[in-house]
Amino acid sequence: GAGVSQSPSNKVTEKGKDVELRCDPISGHTALYWYRQSLGQGLEFLIYFQGNSAPDKSGLPSDRFSAERTGGSVSTLTIQRTQQEDSAVYLCASSPDSTMNTEAFFGQGTRLTVV
Amino acid sequence: AQSVAQPEDQVNVAEGNPLTVKCTYSVSGNPYLFWYVQYPNRGLQFLLKYITGDNLVKGSYGFEAEFNKSQTSFHLKKPSALVSDSALYFCAVRDRSGAKYVFFGTGTRLTVIA
Repeated sequence: GAGVSQSPSNKVTEKGKDVELRCDPISGHTALYWYRQSLGQGLEFLIYFQGNSAPDKSGLPSDRFSAERTGGSVSTLTIQRTQQEDSAVYLCASSPDSTMNTEAFFGQGTRLTVV
Repeated sequence: AQSVAQPEDQVNVAEGNPLTVKCTYSVSGNPYLFWYVQYPNRGLQFLLKYITGDNLVKGSYGFEAEFNKSQTSFHLKKPSALVSDSALYFCAVRDRSGAKYVFFGTGTRLTVIA
């Protein structure tokens, strides 16, 4: 596709439910990132995938959060037993390779509201 | 460890005046530095980056930023602000010898007043 695509754009869920957020990176991009944007908190790094390497999960806030990247393309971020503090905009980004000087291309984000 | 500080949550400037959005960083090695912009209801867009070479880098929409190693700063500037520049601006850093993800600041909301 032309850009990074995320779905759904908005998600309202009840506290305690599980949610899955999807990211389709730009075709051919080997690096994929998940960030979380909370009001007044900037962008918080969650997880990074690069090709077939083991992902960098150092930013995941708890064991309720997990992410997969199948076939080096589509990624799914799963939040189990959602809590109200999980409410935020979840942003996915991709970049062409692991070269550290390349900029990332961001999707529009998924706004998650836990009620 | 890497970090980014954007000391101003909000910057207001009159249309036509020069604007500056401040950013300082901390990395253990040498940095790659980025600026991104987020317009209302839109995703983050890349503006410019410093990799190496000339300390003054030019980017999209007439923006530029100057890398100052001694002051560990990477302030974003534009000679003449437009109302359409009103947005949320994020400074970001990546340590060349550290983590492979970009670390973002908390953002500065720029309002250009007509």
